[in-house]
Amino acid sequence: KAGVTQTPRYLIKTRGQQVTLSCSPISGHRSVSWYQQTPGQGLQFLFEYFSETQRNKGNFPGRFSGRQFSNSRSEMNVSTLELGDSALYLCASSSLLTSAGNEQFFGPGTRLTVL
Amino acid sequence: AQSVTQPDIHITVSEGASLELRCNYSYGATPYLFWYVQSPGQGLQLLLKYFSGDTLVQGIKGFEAEFKRSQSSFNLRKPSVHWSDAAEYFCAVSYNAGNMLTFGGGTRLMVKP
Repeated sequence: KAGVTQTPRYLIKTRGQQVTLSCSPISGHRSVSWYQQTPGQGLQFLFEYFSETQRNKGNFPGRFSGRQFSNSRSEMNVSTLELGDSALYLCASSSLLTSAGNEQFFGPGTRLTVL
Repeated sequence: AQSVTQPDIHITVSEGASLELRCNYSYGATPYLFWYVQSPGQGLQLLLKYFSGDTLVQGIKGFEAEFKRSQSSFNLRKPSVHWSDAAEYFCAVSYNAGNMLTFGGGTRLMVKP
């Protein structure tokens, strides 16, 4: 089975621009979660989508949004980029439906640099 | 709010020596507990997880972890470290009906030859 894929792997943007990152989960996985990793704040949960619905949301401003398509692929969007948005954005997928503690499989991440 | 603490930011051990990485969580209920490893430029790989039952869990790559409810800890151990174990290790917890993980700050492991 192919793993979680994220595109692009690297991205450079300037302040004020917007960006869209893509995540393709493992085949059959219906839950997709997004995390931001920075040296200062560490790994922080952004949001989770399950069956095209946002199921959980972290403490991030409204500039961060996401969506999930019927094939479980997910995108996250960041509008009006700030320097502090420079980070590694990780996507994770999971197959199980409801209970917490499901094993999540992580992609390699998208490295976003905001200049 | 739940939180996870990894007290050691950096640890250096000699190859062949034993290893223990500490993790403490704060919350009333028993969470689901995980250890992940991240090599440079890579995503996260699950080493092991604890949901319930036996408090000593075995993982991949020779790692094990012990859940101690009284100490709110879930420390990761390995009896003999290999140079390839050099990486960053993250402890994580989840509670809710979903897949929201709360991570510790990570411990960077360096292995001396």
